[in-house]
Amino acid sequence: AQKITQTQPGMFVQEKEAVTLDCTYDTSDQSYGLFWYKQPSSGEMIFLIYQGSYDEQNATEGRYSLNFQKARKSANLVISASQLGDSAMYFCAMREGPGGYNKLIFGAGTRLAVHP
Amino acid sequence: GAVVSQHPSRVICKSGTSVKIECRSLDFQATTMFWYRQFPKQSLMLMATSNEGSKATYEQGVEKDKFLINHASLTLSTLTVTSAHPEDSSFYICSAGIAGGPYEQYFGPGTRLTVT
Repeated sequence: AQKITQTQPGMFVQEKEAVTLDCTYDTSDQSYGLFWYKQPSSGEMIFLIYQGSYDEQNATEGRYSLNFQKARKSANLVISASQLGDSAMYFCAMREGPGGYNKLIFGAGTRLAVHP
Repeated sequence: GAVVSQHPSRVICKSGTSVKIECRSLDFQATTMFWYRQFPKQSLMLMATSNEGSKATYEQGVEKDKFLINHASLTLSTLTVTSAHPEDSSFYICSAGIAGGPYEQYFGPGTRLTVT
C-alpha cells in the first residue's frame, strides 16, 4: 500500500498567490516525521519544512507552512506569495520512527509551475 | 548546516564497466547513509541503508551484488554499480543522518549516471 500519496501530478499558480500541495500518509507508528523537499531542475533536494508527529503546532518556515491534520493523516504544504523561483518538483516524505537515521519514504511528487 | 558531497556529479561509462560513486559528509559524522535512485520524472526510491562498519540493508528488489555499498568510515559511503547496463542509467542521490541528532536528513547533490 502507498505510504505517501501526492494526488496532484502538476499544479499551476499565479505569481504572488498562495498554493496548497496535498500529501496524505499512512502509518501505524506513533512517532514519525513528515518532510517537504523541493527539487529544482538541477536535481538537488532542498529541505523546506518538517513536522513531527507529536508537534501540536503546525510548522512554519518563512513562506512555507505545513497544514498538519493528524486524524486525517494529511500534511499539506502551503506556499504563500508564490515566486517564479518556486517552480520545481515538490516531494512529501515520511520517516517512520524517531531520529535522522531512519529512512525516508517519498511520494510521487507534484510539479509546480508559477506563472507571471 | 551539514553538508554532504557526492563525486562525481556526472559520469558516462560503457556497458559492462563498473562505476563508483562517493558520498561524503563534510562537517559531521554520519552513522547512517542512504542511497536513492531517481528515474526521469519519477520519485526517489530508496535502494539501501548504509551503516558505518556493518553490511548495508538493501530494499526489496535491489540486487546487492550489482549495487555494492561500502560505508568504511563515518564520513564516507560508496556505491559501486557493477557491470553497468543502459537500464542502470539514472540519478543517484545519497543522504546522511545522525543517530540521536536532529531530525533532518542531509542530501548530496546527486550523481547522474549514463551507461552507453
